[in-house]
Amino acid sequence: GAVVSQHPSRVICKSGTSVKIECRSLDFQATTMFWYRQFPKQSLMLMATSNEGSKATYEQGVEKDKFLINHASLTLSTLTVTSAHPEDSSFYICSARVGQLSYEQYFGPGTRLTVT
Amino acid sequence: GIQVEQSPPDLILQEGANSTLRCNFSDSVNNLQWFHQNPWGQLINLFYIPSGTKQNGRLSATTVATERYSLLYISSSQTTDSGVYFCAVERRDSSYKLIFGSGTRLLVRP
Repeated sequence: GAVVSQHPSRVICKSGTSVKIECRSLDFQATTMFWYRQFPKQSLMLMATSNEGSKATYEQGVEKDKFLINHASLTLSTLTVTSAHPEDSSFYICSARVGQLSYEQYFGPGTRLTVT
Repeated sequence: GIQVEQSPPDLILQEGANSTLRCNFSDSVNNLQWFHQNPWGQLINLFYIPSGTKQNGRLSATTVATERYSLLYISSSQTTDSGVYFCAVERRDSSYKLIFGSGTRLLVRP
């Protein structure tokens, strides 16, 4: 159990376009999901907390208008990178908290975004 | 904010050797998890261990919450153990946010 999927796994887009990344909890409901960013050979940096039915909360320094987050259901959160630029190229990973009985978080396989 | 430090940053082992990875954190936490990030980037849950000791096969972990550290033991290492090991802690502000350490990069040679 506790499987989190992401789609797509890899995307290449042109500068100025927008890209949507989906994060799904496959076998459990997740009222809270998280989005992270990871640069090569670095650790994971939390970008935002995605709350089902309410606005996302962003970490300091993360542009909310550039990284749009929507958590429309208990199993799906989306991250849209708007007007992407080469510096947005990175590995984006989502996680979901399993819920009531445990605070354990499970992670998706990640999405590698390359902006040309 | 809370600081999470991992040591050593890099580790090279011969297959069959044992190792201990350390995670120090600067404040009280609700939760601590250990992950293994494989070469494809997937984070694999190893342990959810806010306190005490757990074992799973060749891996075991101990967290001493009062002294703010956790240890991950790998015994009889295999080449498939290679990758990056992260510890992550959850702050005590009820936000459920995980703060990651900088990781230990492990290479196990055949």
